[in-house]
Formats: sequence, structure tokens, C-alpha cells
Amino acid sequence: GNSVTQMEGPVTLSEEAFLTINCTYTATGYPSLFWYVQYPGEGLQLLLKATKADDKGSNKGFEATYRKETTSFHLEKGSVQVSDSAVYFCALSAFTGGGNKLTFGTGTQLKVEL
Amino acid sequence: DAGVIQSPRHEVTEMGQEVTLRCKPISGHDYLFWYRQTMMRGLELLIYFNNNVPIDDSGMPEDRFSAKMPNASFSTLKIQPSEPRDSAVYFCASSLDVLAGGADTQYFGPGTRLTVL
Repeated sequence: GNSVTQMEGPVTLSEEAFLTINCTYTATGYPSLFWYVQYPGEGLQLLLKATKADDKGSNKGFEATYRKETTSFHLEKGSVQVSDSAVYFCALSAFTGGGNKLTFGTGTQLKVEL
Repeated sequence: DAGVIQSPRHEVTEMGQEVTLRCKPISGHDYLFWYRQTMMRGLELLIYFNNNVPIDDSGMPEDRFSAKMPNASFSTLKIQPSEPRDSAVYFCASSLDVLAGGADTQYFGPGTRLTVL
């Protein structure tokens, strides 16, 4: 079956530090890959996505590249801000014959301090 | 568009009571999903609908849970009777039909925080 594994948190960084959150997946076929972000007290929001191998998704300074050879979709940001503090979820979407279902990782909490 | 709308935002009830959570998806979206989020179990898909028809309810924890989608703009998730272990944040999400050329991105509502005492 499909699965997503992401690094456990919390990850605590100082402002302007470099961020990497690792994500690997297992899937049959050719899934789309996503990063969602959840700010405190809110629902999940799409951060970025990639639909095929070697695609790079980017948004708000965050980037992730769909690596089929390593089945990975690691999230990176060159310089984090306090406002980036949130929980980040890696997910994959695969057509199941009855529609697309998202399979989520467990989430990684990011805390950015001044 | 206002996005996915959920009500109530917070619900506190006593064990044994019936709870009804409501969701209005984004207009024009074909798929509607119900999720539950807890610290222990993370984000779980409970059930999803396509064009108002339930497609997969394998994530519904037990018979106390039921979901309906009487029309394209409204869905309910009901718990009867409720138990303390049902305390969680319940999210509704909607998406377009991939086969119709839509994106497979899901758009989430703000969630309903349910506390069962």
C-alpha cells in the first residue's frame, strides 16, 4: 500500500537558519506529492506540490523536488522566519479507481526562535 | 470563494449525546473528505464522497459514526452516542475531479474541535 515517512519533530531552529524536513514515500504507480502546512488552530493548507519526477514545487521560499530514484520529496527553505512555525505534512495522492486519496505523513512540528 | 466552511468550530458535549458536524465544500468541487486529527493517531481519513455518493468509508471507526451528503453543497458527520475517545479535531476537505482535468489538491476547512466529557 501507499505510505509516507517523514522525520519526527519537533525541529527547533533559529531565525534565518536553513531548514530541511525529510520525506520519503512508498507508492505504486506515479503519485503526486504534496507539502501541507498547518498553523496553530487552523486547517491544513497546501504549501507546494509536484506531479511528476524531477518537478520542483516552490512557494513562499520553500522548495521540494520530486526524486523518483530515491522516492523522496524533502522540504527545504534557505532562511526560516518565526512566522514559519507550524506543523508540516508530507503527503502523496494516488488514483485508487474511486478517486484520489491523500496519504499523509505524521507531521513535523517546526519551531523557529529569535 | 469562501473556501470550505465547517460548523461549529468548537463543540463540547457529554458522553452519550449525539453530535453533528457540518461542512460546506467549495462550490463546484466533486469530492468531499472527512478527516479526524488526534495527537495519538495523527490525521486519519474517515470517509469520502464523489458527487454526493460515499466511495470509501473504511476509515469510519465504528457504527456510532455516520456521514451523509444530501446535496453537492452540504455534508454532515454524526456521532451517536458520543464517547470521550471521540474527542479530536474533525476536518472536512474538498477537491475537483482529477479525471475531469481538475487538480488533485484538497482544500481543508478550519476544523471542528470536539470535546466529549
